[in-house]
Amino acid sequence: GIQVEQSPPDLILQEGANSTLRCNFSDSVNNLQWFHQNPWGQLINLFYIPSGTKQNGRLSATTVATERYSLLYISSSQTTDSGVYFCAVMSNFGNEKLTFGTGTRLTIIP
Amino acid sequence: SAVISQKPSRDICQRGTSLTIQCQVDSQVTMMFWYRQQPGQSLTLIATANQGSEATYESGFVIDKFPISRPNLTFSTLTVSNMSPEDSSIYLCSARGDSNQPQHFGDGTRLSIL
Repeated sequence: GIQVEQSPPDLILQEGANSTLRCNFSDSVNNLQWFHQNPWGQLINLFYIPSGTKQNGRLSATTVATERYSLLYISSSQTTDSGVYFCAVMSNFGNEKLTFGTGTRLTIIP
Repeated sequence: SAVISQKPSRDICQRGTSLTIQCQVDSQVTMMFWYRQQPGQSLTLIATANQGSEATYESGFVIDKFPISRPNLTFSTLTVSNMSPEDSSIYLCSARGDSNQPQHFGDGTRLSIL
């Protein structure tokens, strides 16, 4: 099945810093989503972005499908941004399943 | 976007018992799924819940341990059977329409087995 790797695995930043999270995948995809899992375990949809670039406030994402990677940018980090960020993809090859990456644990220090 | 309600939100159970988790979606959806998240890990797909027929299980998951029902296009249940401490995890229900639409998740059921 499709492999999804995220980097870095852990990231500790000062409040106000910017960060870039990366998601690499091993096959062509027709669905890619970014999620934020908050400290209470809730999984929040950030972006549905199988290709192109999207922005939502301090967050933006870019997927370069031909090169099989996606990036999530967080600007002016706040402590509420802490948690685990997951990339999840669905392969083009018909299995209709969303496969999750390994996650990046982000800790924002006041 | 679909709103997914799961209950219970958490439970503490004795080993050897079974628990059924309910998932309700506020609109009809094509696909429903159940995921497991073990402590400190990513999410792993347990099965696809098929409306009116048996669920499709992923490798490593079996119907006897995780029976699933989906009687209609908005509701599904997952039972965790004969629980052991290794079953302590967050169980998440998920749903979407067609494959070119985003997938949404419930808030999860945090299960602890003593």
